[in-house]
Amino acid sequence: AQSVTQLGSHVSVSEGALVLLRCNYSSSVPPYLFWYVQYPNQGLQLLLKYTSAATLVKGINGFEAEFKKSETSFHLTKPSAHMSDAAEYFCAVTLSSGSARQLTFGSGTQLTVLP
Amino acid sequence: EAQVTQNPRYLITVTGKKLTVTCSQNMNHEYMSWYRQDPGLGLRQIYYSMNVEVTDKGDVPEGYKVSRKEKRNFPLILESPSPNQTSLYFCASSLSRGLGNSPLHFGNGTRLTVT
Repeated sequence: AQSVTQLGSHVSVSEGALVLLRCNYSSSVPPYLFWYVQYPNQGLQLLLKYTSAATLVKGINGFEAEFKKSETSFHLTKPSAHMSDAAEYFCAVTLSSGSARQLTFGSGTQLTVLP
Repeated sequence: EAQVTQNPRYLITVTGKKLTVTCSQNMNHEYMSWYRQDPGLGLRQIYYSMNVEVTDKGDVPEGYKVSRKEKRNFPLILESPSPNQTSLYFCASSLSRGLGNSPLHFGNGTRLTVT
């Protein structure tokens, strides 16, 4: 079975500052990893995914994440926060087969961007 | 426009009164799933369907039913709702069970309150 832990249920950054949202996973087999974003009153949208190719993955809206097997981490970063980045972010993991059925979500991190 | 449509967006009901939340996708996706989202718990899978007439329990199926008579529709049925089913519900779909090449598409959610 796999699981994912997001450290920090709430993160606040100033506009223009670095965004770092932390995600650690556990999986008995090589995982597929995802970051989703949820804007207010909307469903989840895929930000980026790791599927065993390049360990540094670039996503939409300037976000990127690095898969570090030795640290079992998949932290999400963005060099400069924008007000429009305020949302809830979910890390998710599934088996290397990419099974949607096995997709497990973290508890989410609410990002606040301060002016 | 490719989308997953859920209705209603908001629903307030009383304990024991049967209700149905509809979900429809226009992308000819095989895989569909229902999740509930609760604060601090992330998204938890209720039921999923690999194809027409093929449904199976997720992680939290108690108190829910689903059906998949047509490829595009996947309604969620609460036969006798209880207050602990107050939650935000999401329907999602994917072209196939493999998320490496086919991301999950989410509806905008249904906020259910059971009094």
